[in-house]
Amino acid sequence: NAGVMQNPRHLVRRRGQEARLRCSPMKGHSHVYWYRQLPEEGLKFMVYLQKENIIDESGMPKERFSAEFPKEGPSILRIQQVVRGDSAAYFCASSPQTDPNSPLHFGNGTRLTVT
Amino acid sequence: DQQVKQNSPSLSVQEGRISILNCDYTNSMFDYFLWYKKYPAEGPTFLISISSIKDKNEDGRFTVFLNKSAKHLSLHIVPSQPGDSAVYFCAASPPMKLIFGQGTELSVKP
Repeated sequence: NAGVMQNPRHLVRRRGQEARLRCSPMKGHSHVYWYRQLPEEGLKFMVYLQKENIIDESGMPKERFSAEFPKEGPSILRIQQVVRGDSAAYFCASSPQTDPNSPLHFGNGTRLTVT
Repeated sequence: DQQVKQNSPSLSVQEGRISILNCDYTNSMFDYFLWYKKYPAEGPTFLISISSIKDKNEDGRFTVFLNKSAKHLSLHIVPSQPGDSAVYFCAASPPMKLIFGQGTELSVKP
């Protein structure tokens, strides 16, 4: 897990504030995925990105959530005007190629708490 | 709709015995399955996978069985060790994203 770096590990925001979660994929990986784990639930797919492109955002809520993976720098998951229901663990994963059978490598997550 | 289901939220096993974790799926188009292991405050770690063209894959103490007609897979750990205590997620792989089950928390007692 050490290869995929997420920060911060813990993030506390008040309702209405913005949350920005960062993910640096493993070296050599150009595909990034974001997953969310709500309490007592499994991981839910949110979005799949390649450099400068959103490939699949079918799991993203329609409002307040956005993601990017710029040419330089980490991938960012941005949540605007956070609500208590956004409290969850957000995991980033990366893979080196488009092989669908290539296992994803996950980071240790960012635990967002909305007060 | 829950396309991948793990119906047992928890399992407790004695050290040295076999642990069997189960997973069911609904979509017959899924053609690749994976198991991940997760410790608290860490991300999931890939454990073992199986393609739909096989019915068994083994890696050391871990074996995954796939029954396509029943849309069921299972993970066998033998012998179980206290360090295996973790949450285990099965996942199905449509291309480019994983669909996870809810997880089963395994506790291996010394």
